[in-house]
Amino acid sequence: GESVGLHLPTLSVQEGDNSIINCAYSNSASDYFIWYKQESGKGPQFIIDIRSNMDKRQGQRVTVLLNKTVKHLSLQIAATQPGDSAVYFCAEASNQGGKLIFGQGTELSVKP
Amino acid sequence: DAGVIQSPRHEVTEMGQEVTLRCKPISGHNSLFWYRQTMMRGLELLIYFNNNVPIDDSGMPEDRFSAKMPNASFSTLKIQPSEPRDSAVYFCASSLGGSQGYTFGSGTRLTVV
Repeated sequence: GESVGLHLPTLSVQEGDNSIINCAYSNSASDYFIWYKQESGKGPQFIIDIRSNMDKRQGQRVTVLLNKTVKHLSLQIAATQPGDSAVYFCAEASNQGGKLIFGQGTELSVKP
Repeated sequence: DAGVIQSPRHEVTEMGQEVTLRCKPISGHNSLFWYRQTMMRGLELLIYFNNNVPIDDSGMPEDRFSAKMPNASFSTLKIQPSEPRDSAVYFCASSLGGSQGYTFGSGTRLTVV
């Protein structure tokens, strides 16, 4: 029979509102963090990254916040648009290795 | 820049058949990664290469899976024999080194019936 898939956490927002997507990471040795956006049928696309010596970084309409004390990462999207609808993944890496470890993902749904 | 190129985009095969997925990394990138994505397990790293050498294959599920990188511009992921539980989207990614400039391909959707 068919496997029952994981139900991704979902965030539903109104167009024009701000969105905040959260992520908890597990490895205290991780020193590099990235947010990816994945649209249906496509590979993950880089949005913004942050190194562990920073606690905030801003891009165009996006801001990433890092709290190393509680191992928490968040992505803020300002003035959310329908084109922002996608699954968002956080990923962590250590400079001692090249591999990225991905979180579960959050599905963002923007209502017009 | 054409980005990371994967082929085929879709593959449907019968259980027991051999499947070969292909990846061309971005020119100049010296690290290459193979991921598998399913609803049950999310994005899992299968194996990665630095300068064409396999560094970590601890994510490869079983001996049925193998990956090669004969040169800096080509890698394959092979499943032999394939099973229905291998059905997933397989992504290739490349980077400048470590986590720098990590870029994903569009993926290969594999269905084993």
